[in-house]
Amino acid sequence: DAKTTQPTSMDCAEGRAANLPCNHSTISGNEYVYWYRQIHSQGPQYIIHGLKNNETNEMASLIITEDRKSSTLILPHATLRDTAVYYCIVRTYTGTASKLTFGTGTRLQVTL
Amino acid sequence: DARVTQTPRDKVTEMGQEVTMRCQPILGHNTVFWYRQTMMQGLELLAYFRNRAPLDDSGMPKDRFSAEMPDATLATLKIQPSEPRDSAVYFCASGTPGGGVNTEAFFGQGTRLTVV
Repeated sequence: DAKTTQPTSMDCAEGRAANLPCNHSTISGNEYVYWYRQIHSQGPQYIIHGLKNNETNEMASLIITEDRKSSTLILPHATLRDTAVYYCIVRTYTGTASKLTFGTGTRLQVTL
Repeated sequence: DARVTQTPRDKVTEMGQEVTMRCQPILGHNTVFWYRQTMMQGLELLAYFRNRAPLDDSGMPKDRFSAEMPDATLATLKIQPSEPRDSAVYFCASGTPGGGVNTEAFFGQGTRLTVV
């Protein structure tokens, strides 16, 4: 699976949009971009994933650049409960089980 | 509310003792992952199974670790003998292959292991 690069940490004011970038310049055509987050002392939680189109769900939006070499996770209205480590993962989708390899992630701190 | 259940939540044991961690995947999920998390190494994949068969256990120290799925509702991770460097939080996750959200891995709350 392709390697990802994320900033170590970011701050965001509560109520504002949190934009978390991820670089995956070596991504290949059959690799998806996944985002997970881990709130302190809990197991990682799935947020969203995409291949090349932008995606949105009840938690977040995922914007993938046209060349697919980078993406941005957007939390439209960050709350204190969104404080967590956010992991961007590139994963090969084969229709069978494929492993999730976590990097170091971005520690997002949402403040009042 | 379907969830992955891990037991025990916390375990303190003495060096040299056998440790068994258990995981009950979400009913119907046929893929199980075991991860280990430490401050130094972050989240490391130890092994994963599909339909109870191991697909990849290359991340697991073979001499002391073993992972099995005795049946579809139970996955176990054993350490024998345990060492202080095994102290970590061990996460189990389950998922299903295929399209859409069902490809996702759903994580349990973890087992915090301390080996003294």
